[in-house]
Amino acid sequence: EPEVTQTPSHQVTQMGQEVILRCVPISNHLYFYWYRQILGQKVEFLVSFYNNEISEKSEIFDDQFSVERPDGSNFTLKIRSTKLEDSAMYFCASISWIVGNEQFFGPGTRLTVL
Amino acid sequence: GQQVMQIPQYQHVQEGEDFTTYCNSSTTLSNIQWYKQRPGGHPVFLIQLVKSGEVKKQKRLTFQFGEAKKNSSLHITATQTTDVGTYFCAGAGYNFNKFYFGSGTKLNVKP
Repeated sequence: EPEVTQTPSHQVTQMGQEVILRCVPISNHLYFYWYRQILGQKVEFLVSFYNNEISEKSEIFDDQFSVERPDGSNFTLKIRSTKLEDSAMYFCASISWIVGNEQFFGPGTRLTVL
Repeated sequence: GQQVMQIPQYQHVQEGEDFTTYCNSSTTLSNIQWYKQRPGGHPVFLIQLVKSGEVKKQKRLTFQFGEAKKNSSLHITATQTTDVGTYFCAGAGYNFNKFYFGSGTKLNVKP
């Protein structure tokens, strides 16, 4: 069964450093999302991406964040200068749109900012 | 902005008891989805409700979408230990650009 993959599974970084979180959505899916989940809390929407551009972003998704789909396969989330409060689990998700609207989530990347 | 509230935050039940979680949105939703997240895992899609007043069943799980499309519920009959996890509702606006997740209900089932 097709699945969304994410790398790395765990990223430890120093405050102020840049990190890139990588996702490979399910092939032929059209809508892509990034979410974050602080430990024990709810899933928070960050950004959605469709047709090679951002569709919507939340208040959390400020100038420190950016997304790219550089090669038609990978979907990346970059945090330019990490803060302690960026420590969370980051999930990527994708939707087919044509077949259905269920979101398929990846296993997540746990980001720890020291 | 739009908010999706979910209650209760936690629910501890004895195996075999029923369980219900409720989801309320501050605005009308085009559809609502339900997800289950096992401890240490990622959200897994359970179901999507689109029509006003819609009711769907999956074995022991019953999902409802309110008439005004602003609230929803998930009911589990005769819980099992495999039902343990956090259940989230997620509402979408009138496109799929953004999903508003509820705060989740953490279900613990004692054998």
